[in-house]
Amino acid sequence: NAGVTQTPKFRVLKTGQSMTLLCAQDMNHEYMYWYRQDPGMGLRLIHYSVGEGTTAKGEVPDGYNVSRLKKQNFLLGLESAAPSQTSVYFCASKDRIYEQYFGPGTRLTVT
Amino acid sequence: KNEVEQSPQNLTAQEGEFITINCSYSVGISALHWLQQHPGGGIVSLFMLSSGKKKHGRLIATINIQEKHSSLHITASHPRDSAVYICAVNGMNRDDKIIFGKGTRLHILP
Repeated sequence: NAGVTQTPKFRVLKTGQSMTLLCAQDMNHEYMYWYRQDPGMGLRLIHYSVGEGTTAKGEVPDGYNVSRLKKQNFLLGLESAAPSQTSVYFCASKDRIYEQYFGPGTRLTVT
Repeated sequence: KNEVEQSPQNLTAQEGEFITINCSYSVGISALHWLQQHPGGGIVSLFMLSSGKKKHGRLIATINIQEKHSSLHITASHPRDSAVYICAVNGMNRDDKIIFGKGTRLHILP
């Protein structure tokens, strides 16, 4: 099993550009999450999904959209990137007994 | 006040020292996690526990549900243990989101 994978690993965007981060898991998990990690802030939940076709807002959803068209994939979109979205983004998935598995992270810089 | 508080925020110690990192939480939980993140690296789950104590190599995690407190201990610390250690808790319901502490940055000097 690959576990949780994220693409890309690194990206530099200009302000106003758009991009999509892909998270994929091969563990048949129902729950998937997108977090951002900033210095001194810890992990903050952006959006999450409790199953295929469902999404919900987390703590810091503004400026992001998500889709869960297939159970194994959870996409995070930035429609118009801003410097405040410079961060490290982690995807995670969870099994029914609460263990959460993290992807390796995507380091995004918006200039 | 954060629902999950860790202490200390930063810790520097000499190689070989016994390390303790504390986590206190204010909500009802079904499980508590200890995570490890090396500089520039991904996040790895060390322990998930809902009662008692777990041990893996030189790492020991304990939890006291009544006191809403958990500790992570590292025996015979080594420079490769230098990382950020994050405490996180699951709420009581399966759909509850995980709440994260802000992490403890540990630096072990050779």
